[in-house]
Amino acid sequence: EDQVTQSPEALRLQEGESSSLNCSYTVSGLRGLFWYRQDPGKGPEFLFTLYSAGEEKEKERLKATLTKKESFLHITAPKPEDSATYLCGPVRYSGGGADGLTFGKGTHLIIQP
Amino acid sequence: EAGVTQFPSHSVIEKGQTVTLRCDPISGHDNLYWYRRVMGKEIKFLLHFVKESKQDESGMPNNRFLAERTGGTYSTLKVQPAELEDSGVYFCASSQGTVSYEQYFGPGTRLTVT
Repeated sequence: EDQVTQSPEALRLQEGESSSLNCSYTVSGLRGLFWYRQDPGKGPEFLFTLYSAGEEKEKERLKATLTKKESFLHITAPKPEDSATYLCGPVRYSGGGADGLTFGKGTHLIIQP
Repeated sequence: EAGVTQFPSHSVIEKGQTVTLRCDPISGHDNLYWYRRVMGKEIKFLLHFVKESKQDESGMPNNRFLAERTGGTYSTLKVQPAELEDSGVYFCASSQGTVSYEQYFGPGTRLTVT
């Protein structure tokens, strides 16, 4: 059975204090990984796709990296508006698009001004 | 470009009643997914459509849940009869599926069964 573990479950940082979130997984037939951001009362918002080990993607203060067993979301000099729950979803394909995603519980990030 | 839309945004029903949730995917997206988050738990996959066909329905909890996607456009998820444990937020996502595999989520429907 596929498993996704995100750590830490919650993280409180001061504005400007950089840190990293971890996503580790055991997924058979892994073909990539999605990162999402979710604000309260809203649906997950797509951030990044990573397809192969060693790949990196950046968007503003966020950088996502991928190894064979885990992915990291690095947040550099965060601002209060970066506060959200961050979710990762390993990707498999079995014909006709990606399979349904297995999510972890996410990391609830709070950036204090 | 319009995103994934879901209707209603919130539904409160009594145990034993029927509720139908609707999802309109992004135009041109052949793949449509249903997910659910119950309180305190992670988002769980329910079902995957490719056009009008069910590709994977392994996450559907039981036969009280019926999903359809007639004509390969919008989809409905019917719960009949609803039970208390069906309460949660139901998300729909869509993806193009050949050139791009990213799944884009809708805002969700919050279902409360009393």
